[in-house]
Amino acid sequence: DSGVTQTPKHLITATGQRVTLRCSPRSGDLSVYWYQQSLDQGLQFLIQYYNGEERAKGNILERFSAQQFPDLHSELNLSSLELGDSALYFCASSVGQAPNTGELFFGEGSRLTVL
Amino acid sequence: QQQVKQSPQSLIVQKGGIPIINCAYENTAFDYFPWYQQFPGKGPALLIAIRPDVSEKKEGRFTISFNKSAKQFSLHIMDSQPGDSATYFCAANLMVGGSNYQLIWGAGTKLIIKP
Repeated sequence: DSGVTQTPKHLITATGQRVTLRCSPRSGDLSVYWYQQSLDQGLQFLIQYYNGEERAKGNILERFSAQQFPDLHSELNLSSLELGDSALYFCASSVGQAPNTGELFFGEGSRLTVL
Repeated sequence: QQQVKQSPQSLIVQKGGIPIINCAYENTAFDYFPWYQQFPGKGPALLIAIRPDVSEKKEGRFTISFNKSAKQFSLHIMDSQPGDSATYFCAANLMVGGSNYQLIWGAGTKLIIKP
């Protein structure tokens, strides 16, 4: 158990809809990262927050947005969903602003299926 | 220049064999090289990591070999077991400004150990 909690574990929705994925980082971790993993694909970095502020942005679509709240939990909002958005969405956390040792702690992911 | 190239994409090895996964990079500014292991339905978890001033690191049956001049590093799994069947990701850590780092991921290798 990494200590990172993601909800929901599974989500099925229709095209055009909007969903929110939630992540609670490990206790004491200030950074939260969101990744997308499509079927048999690698990890695509979406966005990072540190202590409530956006720190880094990857290949995140304009239809997607995220935020980190004062209690450090984070939400990833996906809107105008398309079939291609079906994927596993992982949240990870790290102790500091950036993992200079490269160690991220991942949750078990939220599997999104868009029909 | 910020890519990490990982090969092979998939690998099947008999139990007891030594699977080898290779990664290559171009950017000499990378300063830390972690490997992550991901089991089906789970998030990636840090397996072992190495700094570029070290040529080899062992943790149990897992060994990283690092060739700084060739800009290559590899993961060896000694006496492989069916329980090692997972997807393995190499990564490289890069300082992108101030105290901010970015983790660059390889594409992943799906390893199957046959009993």
